[in-house]
Amino acid sequence: ETGVTQTPRHLVMGMTNKKSLKCEQHLGHNAMYWYKQSAKKPLELMFVYNFKEQTENNSVPSRFSPECPNSSHLFLHLHTLQPEDSALYLCASSQEPSGGVNEQFFGPGTRLTVL
Amino acid sequence: GQQLNQSPQSMFIQEGEDVSMNCTSSSIFNTWLWYKQEPGEGPVLLIALYKAGELTSNGRLTAQFGITRKDSFLNISASIPSDVGIYFCAGQETGTASKLTFGTGTRLQVTL
Repeated sequence: ETGVTQTPRHLVMGMTNKKSLKCEQHLGHNAMYWYKQSAKKPLELMFVYNFKEQTENNSVPSRFSPECPNSSHLFLHLHTLQPEDSALYLCASSQEPSGGVNEQFFGPGTRLTVL
Repeated sequence: GQQLNQSPQSMFIQEGEDVSMNCTSSSIFNTWLWYKQEPGEGPVLLIALYKAGELTSNGRLTAQFGITRKDSFLNISASIPSDVGIYFCAGQETGTASKLTFGTGTRLQVTL
């Protein structure tokens, strides 16, 4: 595997379900990100992890719970979601120098549909 | 929060034509990035710009970091059908490590 991989690619879930999205980066990076991409809106940053520590939570509802067990893996746990949470969820990674350039590399995304 | 104005929102062009799109911000950025996203895929980094006035090319793509540090443009020369997709600009403000602000995208359609 190369780059950033995400599973599953598609997910349909009911509002009472619990599911998890998985992201893995094979680039040796130390920072990972979750973004939400909705139609006709800019990418919305949800969470940032640097060296496995969460450094950003962009006012995301608690029904989204991230987990970063190591620098290569990132999860997004989903619980009691709403239909408006349906979107493409993108994972990205970067090599993070402090205050430096932030070239982020994206996975293919998980297309989530909440019924 | 900070928003990036990206224009045009969409473009329909014929194969062989040149394309130009741009992004403007109300704040000063120290990095500009341009991404392309195809259906069913995540954004792919095309060009990264690090200094005001910098002009960088990647094949038929050329991007520039505006002198004021508040804008950037992307040009595509001699477009081909595989250029179809959504092009996003992204910028990093000074002092906001790990955070990129994205534009709303320019949807490019190329007809034969």
